[in-house]
Amino acid sequence: KAGVTQTPRYLIKTRGQQVTLSCSPISGHRSVSWYQQTPGQGLQFLFEYFSETQRNKGNFPGRFSGRQFSNSRSEMNVSTLELGDSALYLCASSPFGGGTYGYTFGSGTRLTVV
Amino acid sequence: DQQVKQNSPSLSVQEGRISILNCDYTNSMFDYFLWYKKYPAEGPTFLISISSIKDKNEDGRFTVFLNKSAKHLSLHIVPSQPGDSAVYFCAASAPNSNSGYALNFGKGTSLLVTP
Repeated sequence: KAGVTQTPRYLIKTRGQQVTLSCSPISGHRSVSWYQQTPGQGLQFLFEYFSETQRNKGNFPGRFSGRQFSNSRSEMNVSTLELGDSALYLCASSPFGGGTYGYTFGSGTRLTVV
Repeated sequence: DQQVKQNSPSLSVQEGRISILNCDYTNSMFDYFLWYKKYPAEGPTFLISISSIKDKNEDGRFTVFLNKSAKHLSLHIVPSQPGDSAVYFCAASAPNSNSGYALNFGKGTSLLVTP
């Protein structure tokens, strides 16, 4: 079956712009989470959505937002981009969330802010 | 604050020998612990998990051990193969009041298996 699909794979944006990243989870998975990976901070949790509702949120500023659609596809948005937002953004899906089934990650979107 | 710690940034092991990767955590509310393997420019790949009510879980060459009293878990790979060379991340999850989940990751251990 198809894995987690993230688009685009690479993105270059200018400071102050905004960006939208997309994630299509594995069919049947209702939980979608987003993570940011940077060399200094490692993998950090952004937020989790389940059935179109945000169930959990990490410690990121309000410039980071997300949403989930009725088909479980998810988008995350970053407004007023800063240089420090340059990172690999990873989406992960799970049937229900939690550790029972693990999470399947996509290949990520590499965002570079210049 | 870092709730999941992997104190060894790197590990080198000979092919055929055992690789032991270690992880410590601070939050006693974690209910599941997971190990992921990651190659550069790819997303992490799920390897194996263990519930907090168990102390051991095996899957082929991979075994995870959990010591709750010490808040410590380890991943054993036996025998190690060159294809196992990657960065290994330990992660832990706990539900919040909304039944939401988040994976708390360690910083990773880079494993190199030499022929």
